[in-house]
Amino acid sequence: RKEVEQDPGPFNVPEGATVAFNCTYSNSASQSFFWYRQDCRKEPKLLMSVYSSGNEDGRFTAQLNRASQYISLLIRDSKLSDSATYLCVVNIPKPAGGTSYGKLTFGQGTILTVHP
Amino acid sequence: SQTIHQWPATLVQPVGSPLSLECTVEGTSNPNLYWYRQAAGRGLQLLFYSVGIGQISSEVPQNLSASRPQDRQFILSSKKLLLSDSGFYLCAWSEWGGRGTPLHFGNGTRLTVT
Repeated sequence: RKEVEQDPGPFNVPEGATVAFNCTYSNSASQSFFWYRQDCRKEPKLLMSVYSSGNEDGRFTAQLNRASQYISLLIRDSKLSDSATYLCVVNIPKPAGGTSYGKLTFGQGTILTVHP
Repeated sequence: SQTIHQWPATLVQPVGSPLSLECTVEGTSNPNLYWYRQAAGRGLQLLFYSVGIGQISSEVPQNLSASRPQDRQFILSSKKLLLSDSGFYLCAWSEWGGRGTPLHFGNGTRLTVT
């Protein structure tokens, strides 16, 4: 099983639609979760962190389900400018006894296209 | 505020030639530094990370190396490039402390090995 797994899509939605992406992770000890956005041929940019209680930033809502080990991103009222690849990022802890906290692991990304 | 600079933006190199990509961070001290590679249509692969000067961890075996000669400078090198080294190289930093703080990326270098 992959450490971080996303549905690659693509998701094609009309403007104004609501779309949701899920991302599953394999390590139950993971503590930090993020969503990034990557435009074509550009660097990934932090969209939002994901907190245990869920959090919202404008049209974007992120949630964490520890029991089922997944995080989600909900985009309401989609805009053309939301078209991008959305990357799920999870901190994968090192085994006990190591000196490092672990590393941030990226999912393969979910492609979203919003059309008029 | 913190900024990260990465150069060059684009590079075309012949097979067998050397490589040096540089990344610097401003506005923070003792950052964690990273080099990622993204092959065309693929996900991000962590190549190296560093938690301090001279401290480099390699994630995957390859013909690349990394160095951190100064606190906020991270260099990716190769003595002889392979065709398979083509890709989008991204430098990133995160806050020292290592509790899974988010990464902040530079603009990236698009490398084509011919």
